[in-house]
Amino acid sequence: SYVLTQPPSVSVAPGKTARITCGGNNIGSKSVHWYQQKPGQAPVLVIYYDSDRPSGIPERFSGSNSGNTATLTISRVEAGDEADYYCQVWDSSSDHPNYVFGTGTKVTVL
Amino acid sequence: EVQLVESGGGLVQPGGSLRLSCAASGFTFSSYWMSWVRQAPGKGLEWVANIKQDGSEKYYVDSVKGRFTISRDNAKNSLYLQMNSLRAEDTAVYYCAREEETSWFDPWGQGTLVTVSS
Repeated sequence: SYVLTQPPSVSVAPGKTARITCGGNNIGSKSVHWYQQKPGQAPVLVIYYDSDRPSGIPERFSGSNSGNTATLTISRVEAGDEADYYCQVWDSSSDHPNYVFGTGTKVTVL
Repeated sequence: EVQLVESGGGLVQPGGSLRLSCAASGFTFSSYWMSWVRQAPGKGLEWVANIKQDGSEKYYVDSVKGRFTISRDNAKNSLYLQMNSLRAEDTAVYYCAREEETSWFDPWGQGTLVTVSS
């Protein structure tokens, strides 16, 4: 089965840039989506199709995907960005649809 | 406003059954694939099952095949998850989510907690 690997944690100072990686075999050939989950809340979509932002998501959130790594970048980090972030792909390699989530990254704002 | 509201969670003994419901509003429910995604306490997200718009196709993660059944009632704008032969490892918050372009999930419901314990 397809595996997505994320760093367990990323720490960043306010106003700086946070980069969260999502590693997978030839992930660049897949569409990657990202979710933000704050404590006690449901996940919220922040990036879809590698780099598109849903309405209402600040431009500070951006994404890229190439080779074996996809990256979510949060610019000018704010205290309110502190959350868990998950990448996700649809894996078509099996005989039925299979949605795969990354292991998750906790972003701490120092 | 697009909204998904889950219900039906609770405490159940190992081997027991539970039926989760998800009420959808604010969009044409019958036009979308729908999914259940779960999250064990302190753990990551795991896709559980999904169902096509007309209910003709259903898919499950291997760990729940033969025990869980996903269904929908488009007339009632509702999604269901019948969970049988529950195990301790099924303990999780269960979210219903709308699938977009059979690729990502948006939005998600607030979740309902299922605890399997004696």
